[in-house]
Amino acid sequence: SQTIHQWPATLVQPVGSPLSLECTVEGTSNPNLYWYRQAAGRGLQLLFYSVGIGQISSEVPQNLSASRPQDRQFILSSKKLLLSDSGFYLCAWREDRGLDYGYTFGSGTRLTVV
Amino acid sequence: QKEVEQNSGPLSVPEGAIASLNCTYSDRGSQSFFWYRQYSGKSPELIMFIYSNGDKEDGRFTAQLNKASQYVSLLIRDSQPSDSATYLCALRGGYQKVTFGTGTKLQVIP
Repeated sequence: SQTIHQWPATLVQPVGSPLSLECTVEGTSNPNLYWYRQAAGRGLQLLFYSVGIGQISSEVPQNLSASRPQDRQFILSSKKLLLSDSGFYLCAWREDRGLDYGYTFGSGTRLTVV
Repeated sequence: QKEVEQNSGPLSVPEGAIASLNCTYSDRGSQSFFWYRQYSGKSPELIMFIYSNGDKEDGRFTAQLNKASQYVSLLIRDSQPSDSATYLCALRGGYQKVTFGTGTKLQVIP
């Protein structure tokens, strides 16, 4: 069965520090991968998606970036965090096998920038 | 107008009652519709998906879709305290893009 791993679960970082969040998927190959952010009291905002190694699409301009160095690995990064980067970061994958089953989310990383 | 609109709630229902959660959307080209449940502090979990007009039932859950009215709903029969969560409506419009509503908080009162 397919599983998605995301870490760390919580993170407290000072303003201006770098960020690296990692997401890996097991049990599938060539998944579509996504990074979402959920700010307090707000909906899920799509940040990046990737359909393959090295292929990254950005949905919103920001100081975050994403990379996909391996088929089942998706990384979210920042060189310098802002207070507004605080939120709940969720990695998700979507199986593409004809019918649309929506996304499966990882357990998330709660980031607090102080 | 937001792409996906949901009443934020909270919607309070007594245990054993039917909870009715509603969602409207603006993109007539939307093809797939989803309901996610999100417990406080946890990630969303897919509970229902629907593509065609009409009803789709899965256990205590029924999703209803009316594309002409651009309206999706989720009914939860025999509501239980464990159903207390935020329910997110989502839809797929353009390629690879799923848009989420801000969610409706449901409280089931024992």
